[in-house]
Amino acid sequence: AQSVTQLGSHVSVSEGALVLLRCNYSSSVPPYLFWYVQYPNQGLQLLLKYTTGATLVKGINGFEAEFKKSETSFHLTKPSAHMSDAAEYFCAVSVPTWNNRLAFGKGNQVVVIP
Amino acid sequence: DVKVTQSSRYLVKRTGEKVFLECVQDMDHENMFWYRQDPGLGLRLIYFSYDVKMKEKGDIPEGYSVSREKKERFSLILESASTNQTSMYLCASSLAQPPYEQYFGPGTRLTVT
Repeated sequence: AQSVTQLGSHVSVSEGALVLLRCNYSSSVPPYLFWYVQYPNQGLQLLLKYTTGATLVKGINGFEAEFKKSETSFHLTKPSAHMSDAAEYFCAVSVPTWNNRLAFGKGNQVVVIP
Repeated sequence: DVKVTQSSRYLVKRTGEKVFLECVQDMDHENMFWYRQDPGLGLRLIYFSYDVKMKEKGDIPEGYSVSREKKERFSLILESASTNQTSMYLCASSLAQPPYEQYFGPGTRLTVT
C-alpha cells in the first residue's frame, strides 16, 4: 500500500526565511505526487503536482518541489516566507493501481513569525 | 474552474439525529470522495464512489453511509449522529484517469451536541 510521511506537525519559519517541508513516500510503482495547501476554514487547494518529465516542479505562490526517485522524496520549498503562507500543507501520492485514490500525509501546520 | 460545492459550511446537530451532507461537482468527474479531517489525524477517507450508484468503503466507514444517484452529486449520511462524529467533512472529486488529481469543496464543520 502507498504511504506518505510528513515529519513535524508544526513548522515555524521567520518571514523572509526559507520554507522547507519534507515529504517521503512509499510506492512499489512510479507515483504521481501532489502538494495541497489549506487555509483556515477552507478546503484543500492544489499547490503543485508531479506526473512525468522534469523533476523540479513549480507551483503557485512561489512554491516548488523536486521529485527524487532515489530518495523517494518530494520536498516542498519556497525561498522567502510571507505572512500569507501561514496554512496547513499536505503531501499526497497516487498510483494507477490503487483505485484512483490519493494517500495523504498528516500535514504540516506552517506558522510564519514576523 | 472546477467547482465542488458543499451544502453547508457549518452545521450543528443533536445526538441521534440523521444528518445529510451534500456535495455537488460541475466538471463531470467520475470519482467522488468523502473525508473527515481531525487535528493531528490528517484526512481520513470515509467512502468514495467511482460511478453512479457505485460506492466503496474507505478507511473509516463505520457510522456512515453514502448515496450517489446522479453523477454530479454525492451525499454522506450519518444515520444516528454521535458526538465523536464532530469534525470537518471534506468532499472531493476527480477524473478516473491519471494523475487522479482531486478537487476539494470548502468543507462542512459539523458539531454534534
